[in-house]
Amino acid sequence: QVQLQESGPGLVKPSQTLSLTCTVSGGSISSGSYYWSWIRQPAGKGLEWIGRIYTSGSTNYNPSLKSRVTISVDTSKNQFSLKLSSVTAADTAVYYCARSPRERGVVATYFDYWGQGTLVTVSS
Amino acid sequence: EIVLTQSPDFQSVTPKEKVTITCRASQSIGSSLHWYQQKPDQSPKLLIKYASQSISGVPSRFSGSGSGTDFTLTINSLEAEDAATYYCHQSSSLPFTFGGGTKVEIK
Repeated sequence: QVQLQESGPGLVKPSQTLSLTCTVSGGSISSGSYYWSWIRQPAGKGLEWIGRIYTSGSTNYNPSLKSRVTISVDTSKNQFSLKLSSVTAADTAVYYCARSPRERGVVATYFDYWGQGTLVTVSS
Repeated sequence: EIVLTQSPDFQSVTPKEKVTITCRASQSIGSSLHWYQQKPDQSPKLLIKYASQSISGVPSRFSGSGSGTDFTLTINSLEAEDAATYYCHQSSSLPFTFGGGTKVEIK
């Protein structure tokens, strides 16, 4: 059974960089069959896709965050990571990592496995 | 960016009633529409993929329909455990987007 687990600081100061890691267990991040995404959810609000990475290191980002986001992968540790720079209170949210199967001929698919989420609060 | 508009925002329903949630896309997305259930303090769970395809382990009372711009999630014979917020999600084009959610409360 595949499991994803987010980890990282729960409190980040304004203007600093938010850094989170997602550790994948029960399957190899290098399999080439999946994309790995970050998604966030402010308290009481909806879901926002941040970006994704493929095993090769190829990335796609949400244009609304693109200038501040970097997603990377470490296949040796079976992990992928999120960095969000110049954070403000508006970046306070629960951050999820999620997996989506890669299918031939389509831009993307559904998110079939999610981490439990980690709350990141931006405050001084 | 494709905008997904869900309705209603909130629905209070009696057990065994039928629930219908709609999701409208701002442009045609074919069948690239998926539904998730999120219970309080939990991560979203995939219910339906590609508008109408069932997911292993999901109760058969959950079904989906639609294509193009208009989609529907139906919960037949609602059970108490179905109290949750339901989201639609499009994977037709970047950036991937979600609907605003529909909260289903049990009366």
